Amino acid sequence: DQQVKQNSPSLSVQEGRISILNCDYTNSMFDYFLWYKKYPAEGPTFLISISSIKDKNEDGRFTVFLNKSAKHLSLHIVPSQPGDSAVYFCAASRGGAGGTSYGKLTFGQGTILTVHP
Amino acid sequence: EPEVTQTPSHQVTQMGQEVILRCVPISNHLYFYWYRQILGQKVEFLVSFYNNEISEKSEIFDDQFSVERPDGSNFTLKIRSTKLEDSAMYFCASRGSLASGNTIYFGEGSWLTVV
Repeated sequence: DQQVKQNSPSLSVQEGRISILNCDYTNSMFDYFLWYKKYPAEGPTFLISISSIKDKNEDGRFTVFLNKSAKHLSLHIVPSQPGDSAVYFCAASRGGAGGTSYGKLTFGQGTILTVHP
Repeated sequence: EPEVTQTPSHQVTQMGQEVILRCVPISNHLYFYWYRQILGQKVEFLVSFYNNEISEKSEIFDDQFSVERPDGSNFTLKIRSTKLEDSAMYFCASRGSLASGNTIYFGEGSWLTVV
Protein backbone atom coordinates (compact mmCIF):
# COMPACT_ATOMS: atom_id res chain seq x y z
CA ASP A 1 0.00 0.00 0.00
CA GLN A 2 1.88 3.04 -1.28
CA GLN A 3 -0.93 5.57 -1.14
CA VAL A 4 1.11 7.83 1.15
CA LYS A 5 4.81 8.14 0.57
CA GLN A 6 7.60 9.90 2.37
CA ASN A 7 10.50 9.52 0.00
CA SER A 8 13.21 10.83 2.31
CA PRO A 9 14.04 8.27 5.00
CA SER A 10 16.11 10.82 6.88
CA LEU A 11 16.88 14.52 7.14
CA SER A 12 19.65 16.26 9.02
CA VAL A 13 19.38 19.94 9.91
CA GLN A 14 21.36 22.44 11.95
CA GLU A 15 19.69 23.93 15.02
CA GLY A 16 17.94 27.20 14.20
CA ARG A 17 17.50 26.38 10.52
CA ILE A 18 14.34 25.28 8.74
CA SER A 19 13.36 21.60 8.49
CA ILE A 20 11.18 20.68 5.54
CA LEU A 21 9.59 17.25 5.52
CA ASN A 22 7.77 16.11 2.42
CA CYS A 23 4.90 13.74 1.74
CA ASP A 24 3.15 12.64 -1.45
CA TYR A 25 -0.15 10.84 -1.81
CA THR A 26 -1.89 9.14 -4.68
CA ASN A 27 -5.49 8.76 -3.51
CA SER A 28 -7.44 11.87 -4.56
CA MET A 29 -10.20 10.90 -2.11
CA PHE A 30 -8.01 11.84 0.84
CA ASP A 31 -9.30 15.08 2.32
CA TYR A 32 -7.63 15.37 5.68
CA PHE A 33 -3.93 15.21 6.42
CA LEU A 34 -2.00 15.01 9.65
CA TRP A 35 1.58 15.05 10.81
CA TYR A 36 2.71 13.00 13.77
CA LYS A 37 6.00 12.89 15.63
CA LYS A 38 7.17 9.62 17.12
CA TYR A 39 9.95 8.58 19.45
CA PRO A 40 11.09 4.93 19.60
CA ALA A 41 8.78 2.70 21.67
CA GLU A 42 6.21 5.49 22.04
CA GLY A 43 2.94 6.29 20.34
CA PRO A 44 2.61 8.89 17.58
CA THR A 45 2.09 12.39 18.94
CA PHE A 46 -0.16 14.68 16.95
CA LEU A 47 1.54 17.82 15.63
CA ILE A 48 -0.61 19.58 13.09
CA SER A 49 -3.28 18.84 10.52
CA ILE A 50 -4.85 20.35 7.43
CA SER A 51 -8.12 19.91 5.65
CA SER A 52 -8.21 19.72 1.87
CA ILE A 53 -10.17 22.98 1.73
CA LYS A 54 -7.06 24.82 2.91
CA ASP A 55 -3.57 25.12 1.52
CA LYS A 56 -1.77 26.20 4.66
CA ASN A 57 -2.11 25.76 8.39
CA GLU A 58 0.22 27.21 10.97
CA ASP A 59 0.75 26.41 14.64
CA GLY A 60 3.72 28.02 16.31
CA ARG A 61 6.92 26.72 14.75
CA PHE A 62 5.03 24.22 12.60
CA THR A 63 3.42 24.99 9.25
CA VAL A 64 1.84 22.48 6.92
CA PHE A 65 1.38 23.27 3.24
CA LEU A 66 -0.95 21.33 0.97
CA ASN A 67 -0.73 21.32 -2.81
CA LYS A 68 -3.77 19.35 -3.96
CA SER A 69 -2.98 19.51 -7.65
CA ALA A 70 0.43 17.96 -7.00
CA LYS A 71 -0.92 15.69 -4.27
CA HIS A 72 1.88 16.89 -2.06
CA LEU A 73 2.15 18.22 1.43
CA SER A 74 5.04 19.44 3.47
CA LEU A 75 5.79 20.22 7.08
CA HIS A 76 8.01 23.17 7.87
CA ILE A 77 9.62 23.50 11.27
CA VAL A 78 11.27 26.80 11.95
CA PRO A 79 13.44 27.30 13.85
CA SER A 80 14.45 23.67 14.31
CA GLN A 81 15.49 22.58 17.79
CA PRO A 82 17.43 19.49 18.96
CA GLY A 83 14.27 18.34 20.77
CA ASP A 84 12.56 18.08 17.39
CA SER A 85 14.74 15.07 16.56
CA ALA A 86 12.32 12.17 16.04
CA VAL A 87 10.54 10.22 13.33
CA TYR A 88 7.88 12.27 11.53
CA PHE A 89 4.93 10.55 9.94
CA CYS A 90 2.56 11.97 7.41
CA ALA A 91 -0.96 10.46 7.49
CA ALA A 92 -4.05 10.90 5.37
CA SER A 93 -7.70 10.06 5.71
CA ARG A 94 -10.96 10.43 3.85
CA GLY A 95 -14.37 11.40 5.10
CA GLY A 96 -17.31 9.06 5.21
CA ALA A 97 -20.86 8.81 6.45
CA GLY A 98 -20.98 10.00 10.02
CA GLY A 99 -17.32 10.85 9.85
CA THR A 100 -16.30 7.36 10.91
CA SER A 101 -13.77 7.09 8.13
CA TYR A 102 -11.83 9.92 9.72
CA GLY A 103 -9.84 7.49 11.71
CA LYS A 104 -8.65 5.11 9.13
CA LEU A 105 -5.36 6.86 8.69
CA THR A 106 -2.98 5.78 5.98
CA PHE A 107 0.56 6.47 7.09
CA GLY A 108 3.75 7.17 5.21
CA GLN A 109 6.95 5.33 6.04
CA GLY A 110 8.28 8.15 8.18
CA THR A 111 11.27 10.47 7.98
CA ILE A 112 13.91 10.49 10.68
CA LEU A 113 14.73 14.11 11.51
CA THR A 114 17.98 14.87 13.29
CA VAL A 115 18.59 18.41 14.46
CA HIS A 116 22.21 19.06 15.36
CA PRO A 117 23.12 21.64 18.02
CA GLU B 1 -3.78 16.98 29.19
CA PRO B 2 -6.09 14.00 28.58
CA GLU B 3 -4.37 11.00 27.10
CA VAL B 4 -5.00 7.51 25.81
CA THR B 5 -3.53 4.90 28.14
CA GLN B 6 -2.64 1.33 27.24
CA THR B 7 -1.76 -1.79 29.18
CA PRO B 8 0.39 -3.79 29.20
CA SER B 9 3.33 -1.85 27.82
CA HIS B 10 5.02 -5.09 26.84
CA GLN B 11 3.78 -8.68 26.69
CA VAL B 12 5.54 -11.84 25.66
CA THR B 13 3.30 -14.74 24.76
CA GLN B 14 3.64 -18.18 23.26
CA MET B 15 2.33 -18.86 19.79
CA GLY B 16 -1.27 -20.04 19.90
CA GLN B 17 -2.08 -18.25 23.14
CA GLU B 18 -4.80 -15.66 23.51
CA VAL B 19 -3.81 -12.08 24.22
CA ILE B 20 -5.92 -9.14 25.37
CA LEU B 21 -4.57 -5.62 24.99
CA ARG B 22 -6.34 -2.96 26.97
CA CYS B 23 -6.89 0.71 26.35
CA VAL B 24 -8.57 3.58 28.14
CA PRO B 25 -9.44 6.19 25.48
CA ILE B 26 -9.83 9.88 26.25
CA SER B 27 -12.99 10.16 28.31
CA ASN B 28 -15.31 12.19 26.08
CA HIS B 29 -14.19 10.59 22.83
CA LEU B 30 -16.60 8.66 20.65
CA TYR B 31 -14.46 6.90 18.05
CA PHE B 32 -11.91 4.27 18.93
CA TYR B 33 -9.22 2.59 16.89
CA TRP B 34 -6.48 0.02 16.92
CA TYR B 35 -3.38 0.35 14.80
CA ARG B 36 -0.21 -1.66 14.74
CA GLN B 37 3.38 -1.24 13.63
CA ILE B 38 5.53 -4.23 12.84
CA LEU B 39 9.19 -3.44 13.45
CA GLY B 40 10.61 -1.50 10.53
CA GLN B 41 7.27 -1.10 8.80
CA LYS B 42 4.52 1.50 8.54
CA VAL B 43 1.85 2.12 11.12
CA GLU B 44 -1.19 0.18 9.84
CA PHE B 45 -4.88 0.61 10.53
CA LEU B 46 -6.62 -2.42 12.05
CA VAL B 47 -10.11 -1.42 13.09
CA SER B 48 -12.38 1.45 14.00
CA PHE B 49 -15.20 1.25 16.54
CA TYR B 50 -18.13 3.60 17.01
CA ASN B 51 -21.47 3.35 18.75
CA ASN B 52 -20.58 -0.08 20.13
CA GLU B 53 -19.83 -1.67 16.82
CA ILE B 54 -17.05 -2.03 14.32
CA SER B 55 -17.38 0.69 11.68
CA GLU B 56 -14.45 -0.31 9.51
CA LYS B 57 -11.71 -2.92 9.52
CA SER B 58 -8.68 -3.75 7.43
CA GLU B 59 -7.72 -7.02 5.78
CA ILE B 60 -5.35 -7.65 8.68
CA PHE B 61 -8.28 -7.75 11.11
CA ASP B 62 -9.39 -11.31 10.44
CA ASP B 63 -11.40 -13.72 12.59
CA GLN B 64 -8.53 -14.07 15.04
CA PHE B 65 -9.04 -10.46 16.12
CA SER B 66 -11.90 -8.95 18.05
CA VAL B 67 -12.60 -5.70 19.85
CA GLU B 68 -14.86 -4.90 22.72
CA ARG B 69 -15.89 -1.98 24.83
CA PRO B 70 -17.02 -3.88 27.93
CA ASP B 71 -17.81 -0.80 30.00
CA GLY B 72 -17.84 2.96 29.60
CA SER B 73 -14.10 3.39 29.75
CA ASN B 74 -12.16 0.39 28.44
CA PHE B 75 -11.57 -0.65 24.86
CA THR B 76 -9.88 -4.00 24.27
CA LEU B 77 -8.25 -5.85 21.40
CA LYS B 78 -8.23 -9.63 21.63
CA ILE B 79 -6.09 -11.92 19.51
CA ARG B 80 -7.47 -15.43 19.92
CA SER B 81 -4.56 -17.56 18.77
CA THR B 82 -1.41 -15.55 18.32
CA LYS B 83 1.00 -16.15 15.47
CA LEU B 84 4.63 -15.15 15.18
CA GLU B 85 3.68 -12.49 12.64
CA ASP B 86 1.42 -10.82 15.21
CA SER B 87 4.53 -9.52 16.94
CA ALA B 88 4.23 -5.75 16.71
CA MET B 89 3.55 -2.56 18.61
CA TYR B 90 -0.20 -2.12 18.95
CA PHE B 91 -1.55 1.39 19.29
CA CYS B 92 -4.95 2.34 20.59
CA ALA B 93 -6.32 5.69 19.43
CA SER B 94 -9.42 7.78 19.94
CA ARG B 95 -11.19 10.79 18.52
CA GLY B 96 -13.91 13.12 19.72
CA SER B 97 -17.02 14.14 17.85
CA LEU B 98 -16.76 15.68 14.39
CA ALA B 99 -17.50 19.05 15.90
CA SER B 100 -14.44 18.75 18.13
CA GLY B 101 -12.14 18.06 15.20
CA ASN B 102 -10.72 15.12 13.33
CA THR B 103 -7.52 14.67 15.29
CA ILE B 104 -6.73 11.13 16.30
CA TYR B 105 -4.87 10.76 19.59
CA PHE B 106 -2.68 7.72 20.12
CA GLY B 107 -1.64 5.84 23.21
CA GLU B 108 1.92 4.88 24.05
CA GLY B 109 1.50 1.41 22.57
CA SER B 110 1.63 -2.19 23.73
CA TRP B 111 4.57 -4.14 22.47
CA LEU B 112 3.55 -7.74 21.76
CA THR B 113 6.20 -10.38 21.24
CA VAL B 114 5.02 -13.82 20.12
CA VAL B 115 7.56 -16.62 20.61
